[in-house]
Amino acid sequence: EAQVTQNPRYLITVTGKKLTVTCSQNMNHEYMSWYRQDPGLGLRQIYYSMNVEVTDKGDVPEGYKVSRKEKRNFPLILESPSPNQTSLYFCASSFGQIEGYGELFFGEGSRLTVL
Amino acid sequence: KNEVEQSPQNLTAQEGEFITINCSYSVGISALHWLQQHPGGGIVSLFMLSSGKKKHGRLIATINIQEKHSSLHITASHPRDSAVYICAVENYGGSQGNLIFGKGTKLSVKP
Repeated sequence: EAQVTQNPRYLITVTGKKLTVTCSQNMNHEYMSWYRQDPGLGLRQIYYSMNVEVTDKGDVPEGYKVSRKEKRNFPLILESPSPNQTSLYFCASSFGQIEGYGELFFGEGSRLTVL
Repeated sequence: KNEVEQSPQNLTAQEGEFITINCSYSVGISALHWLQQHPGGGIVSLFMLSSGKKKHGRLIATINIQEKHSSLHITASHPRDSAVYICAVENYGGSQGNLIFGKGTKLSVKP
């Protein structure tokens, strides 16, 4: 089954404790991306990757890191989480066609609370 | 001003009604996506289009690149269509892969 898998789905942590949210896709997609969703602000892009070893900042990259060492995985790293990073996070992937990036496939979301 | 504006923000309809959700954008784009987010939170892609019109079942999406406007139509609406509908544009003039989202339209279809 084609899917994007995020882990963990729910996490409560404390300020400053490094954490990683994993994202894996089994569709051989080239494009992967991370978003956060906050009430009143909607979805905002954090980082994206056009292919292995290629990553770029989205609109809200501060406080986050990513890496793309393998095509299927695109982890989101919070080196020192702060309460303003409490949010619902989504990972998505697609084929990244030249004219557009194809249909986006989203993970189920990861709800992160930073105390 | 947001680069992607959706209207209306909230919409209540009776089952069977024809529904239109609008999306206007101010940047040059390579493609536009319509997404659906159900109350449980999961996001599903409905359409990706760069010109013209696409149809899936009761859903129709159109885009006018010159006017920088897209519409999502739902024919014969049903309570299961109740969800938030989100428009997103790929920023052609900016970085490839950069997506900008509208704030969403919350649709409620009453039986």
